[in-house]
Amino acid sequence: AAGVIQSPRHLIKEKRETATLKCYPIPRHDTVYWYQQGPGQDPQFLISFYEKLESDKGSIPDRFSAQQFSDYHSELNMSSLELGDSALYFCASSLWGGAGTGELFFGEGSRLTVL
Amino acid sequence: QKEVEQNSGPLSVPEGAIASLNCTYSDRGSQSFFWYRQYSGKSPELIMFIYSNGDKEDGRFTAQLNKASQYVSLLIRDSQPSDSATYLCAVKEDTGGFKTIFGAGTRLFVKA
Repeated sequence: AAGVIQSPRHLIKEKRETATLKCYPIPRHDTVYWYQQGPGQDPQFLISFYEKLESDKGSIPDRFSAQQFSDYHSELNMSSLELGDSALYFCASSLWGGAGTGELFFGEGSRLTVL
Repeated sequence: QKEVEQNSGPLSVPEGAIASLNCTYSDRGSQSFFWYRQYSGKSPELIMFIYSNGDKEDGRFTAQLNKASQYVSLLIRDSQPSDSATYLCAVKEDTGGFKTIFGAGTRLFVKA
């Protein structure tokens, strides 16, 4: 079965650079989420999209933005990168409509290292 | 106060014992509750979800929900070394949206 696909899996950037992470949700899932997980930390909710519209916003810095496109893939854009942005970024998708349980299916994550 | 609170552990139990993991949440209107397991460096994967007060059993796992006390727990019977991981409690809050908030996780070690 198709899973959530994230790219790139690893990314190394310098401070003040820009990074873009991509996420392809499971087909027919209606919700996409972005989480940031620092070393030894719990996943911190950044933002979510339901049917391509922003549905919730969490602790996402103003330097970050995200969107979901017509083909349901989502991108997280991070600008003016700081050392503290180094983390594992997870994308997850879920199905809330119909018989969906709301279970989050996670991608394998994109590890961002800012030097 | 964090929205979802868990004892970070580590919780250490011998093989074959029962591991008990606890979680409290602050949003009284929360409707959906999940337990995820996360191995180091890997993505979280769902163990169980529960929506109604009471117990829900699935194999060696039992989730318990008490909405009046805003408390969710996960029991793991016959613990195995392969159960050693971080267990994340997650709650979908009653915000009208889809935000799912995670607790800090409890690290479980099962000693062989």
